[in-house]
Amino acid sequence: DADVTQTPRNRITKTGKRIMLECSQTKGHDRMYWYRQDPGLGLRLIYYSFDVKDINKGEISDGYSVSRQAQAKFSLSLESAIPNQTALYFCATSDTASGSYGYTFGSGTRLTVV
Amino acid sequence: EDKVVQSPLSLVVHEGDTVTLNCSYEVTNFRSLLWYKQEKKAPTFLFMLTSSGIEKKSGRLSSILDKKELFSILNITATQTGDSAIYLCAVEEGADSWGKFQFGAGTQVVVTP
Repeated sequence: DADVTQTPRNRITKTGKRIMLECSQTKGHDRMYWYRQDPGLGLRLIYYSFDVKDINKGEISDGYSVSRQAQAKFSLSLESAIPNQTALYFCATSDTASGSYGYTFGSGTRLTVV
Repeated sequence: EDKVVQSPLSLVVHEGDTVTLNCSYEVTNFRSLLWYKQEKKAPTFLFMLTSSGIEKKSGRLSSILDKKELFSILNITATQTGDSAIYLCAVEEGADSWGKFQFGAGTQVVVTP
């Protein structure tokens, strides 16, 4: 089983629909992140959480919300999806105890909003 | 403004060639710079650099950081088709931004047989 699991892997949804992307991890890491990746723009941070009670906006949080249901679970919601939210979404984790050793990424969710 | 800029955006080389990828950054409290390789989906970790002038090596890949000139390079020697990927550079700022990375747009490398 993957250390960081994202569901669904692929999703097509209509404009205006609410959609949730889920992320769960078995690494025991305290920090979790949501990024989106667009061609030519790299990965951009949407939201991040350094522990269960801590939620922070990233550089492109408008139109998104998150919930840290447990240390191992971090979900991303699009309240009313729009076409420019079509992208590849990554969940990532990192561990305070090991310092800034970088992320462990999930396999990504490819979201298409039509 | 872009804080992490990678160049070139893409390149095509033949097997056996050497490639050099660049990552320049502009952050106020630099903590670390990481390189990732992204093939089909999730990026995978290559190197973490925190100190200037110390080369990190892993097989045919190597990387070095210049904190004075604010850039890093990633070298791939004797390239193989399996090196075809997007290479991402990410910079972590210290203080309040610890644990949060800013990514460059990536360099797409295509290695032809």
